Amino acid sequence: GAVVSQHPSWVICKSGTSVKIECRSLDFQATTMFWYRQFPKQSLMLMATSNEGSKATYEQGVEKDKFLINHASLTLSTLTVTSAHPEDSSFYICSARRAGQGAKTQYFGPGTRLLVL
Amino acid sequence: AQTVTQSQPEMSVQEAETVTLSCTYDTSENNYYLFWYKQPPSRQMILVIRQEAYKQQNATENRFSVNFQKAAKSFSLKISDSQLGDTAMYFCAFMKQTDSNTGKLIFGQGTTLQVKP
Repeated sequence: GAVVSQHPSWVICKSGTSVKIECRSLDFQATTMFWYRQFPKQSLMLMATSNEGSKATYEQGVEKDKFLINHASLTLSTLTVTSAHPEDSSFYICSARRAGQGAKTQYFGPGTRLLVL
Repeated sequence: AQTVTQSQPEMSVQEAETVTLSCTYDTSENNYYLFWYKQPPSRQMILVIRQEAYKQQNATENRFSVNFQKAAKSFSLKISDSQLGDTAMYFCAFMKQTDSNTGKLIFGQGTTLQVKP
């Protein structure tokens, strides 16, 4: 168990458009989901933490109006990149914390590659 | 602030041999968790091993073991009997115990390991 999926797995969009990425916990309820950004061959940087039913907590330097996060249910969190620009091109990864477990156990999704032209 | 440093961007090892990946970290915390994650070419992050700082005994998981030196703030990963499937990028990560509910992971830069046949 403990499978996390992301959709889409990759997306190409034009500059100025908005892109929505979904993160789903398939076989467990996730009270908390985390969104990371990873540049090629680089580390993962935490962007924000989303808790079901409440506003996301953004890391310093991450624009909350640029990266909209919604965690509407215990199995789904979405990240919307608004008015995307080429510098937003990156690999976006989500992880989920299972309800009842501490957050030191996180299950990662397979990631979404975003390319903005 | 906590930092995690992996000083080996790339490493290679012959199949069946042993390799050690280095990780150092900087923190003023006394209680924390350390992790090694594997990111294979599929990009799916997988937890390899976890160590609680309060435990003196080094964690082991089959062919994977760590050498945790708390005073030196060192946390190396040893892979024994390397297999082709071990080829991946390996990330060392840190979490404060006080963040074990929020789940904030701080990642190192990563080490790309190639296992050669």
